[in-house]
Amino acid sequence: GDSVTQMEGPVTLSEEAFLTINCTYTATGYPSLFWYVQYPGEGLQLLLKATKADDKGSNKGFEATYRKETTSFHLEKGSVQVSDSAVYFCALGRDKIIFGKGTRLHILP
Amino acid sequence: GAVVSQHPSRVICKSGTSVKIECRSLDFQATTMFWYRQFPKKSLMLMATSNEGSKATYEQGVEKDKFLINHASLTLSTLTVTSAHPEDSSFYICSATLADNLGNEQFFGPGTRLTVL
Repeated sequence: GDSVTQMEGPVTLSEEAFLTINCTYTATGYPSLFWYVQYPGEGLQLLLKATKADDKGSNKGFEATYRKETTSFHLEKGSVQVSDSAVYFCALGRDKIIFGKGTRLHILP
Repeated sequence: GAVVSQHPSRVICKSGTSVKIECRSLDFQATTMFWYRQFPKKSLMLMATSNEGSKATYEQGVEKDKFLINHASLTLSTLTVTSAHPEDSSFYICSATLADNLGNEQFFGPGTRLTVL
């Protein structure tokens, strides 16, 4: 069945560092791919999405490209801020969404 | 747009009692709503899929008699945890999809933290 694997955290970086959170998926066909973010004490928010191969989703300085050949959807940001500290979930969607286990990100000032 | 609310945000109850959690789509009609459970520092586990006017579809291992789901209208779904026990303590999250759901996007509520004493 479909599944999502993302790098385990926690990931700790200094402010302004470059961020990569790896995500790979297993699925038949072309599901939509998502990154969701959960800030402390809050619900999930959609960060970005891509609906077909080679699409790039972007929002708030974060980017991820739908790579069919490597079945990946890695999340990147060029310069992180303290306010980016949160848990990030990679997910794939068809009729229902399948989530990865989440990666906790700590940004130090 | 596409705002989903949940009520209550927190609830503490005694073991053996039942608790109802509401999920509402505030500014759109949701043909499908989903209920998730999230354990501390873990991912979201899909419990059930709920379509308006029909019975919910439960994921394997989820007791449908314990977690009662009602989707009475296009803007409201409820989850009732019956005869709650301490092991039911968790963070329950609902989500909803738009009627014209291109891209399979779901919109999530803020969650309800249930603590069973």
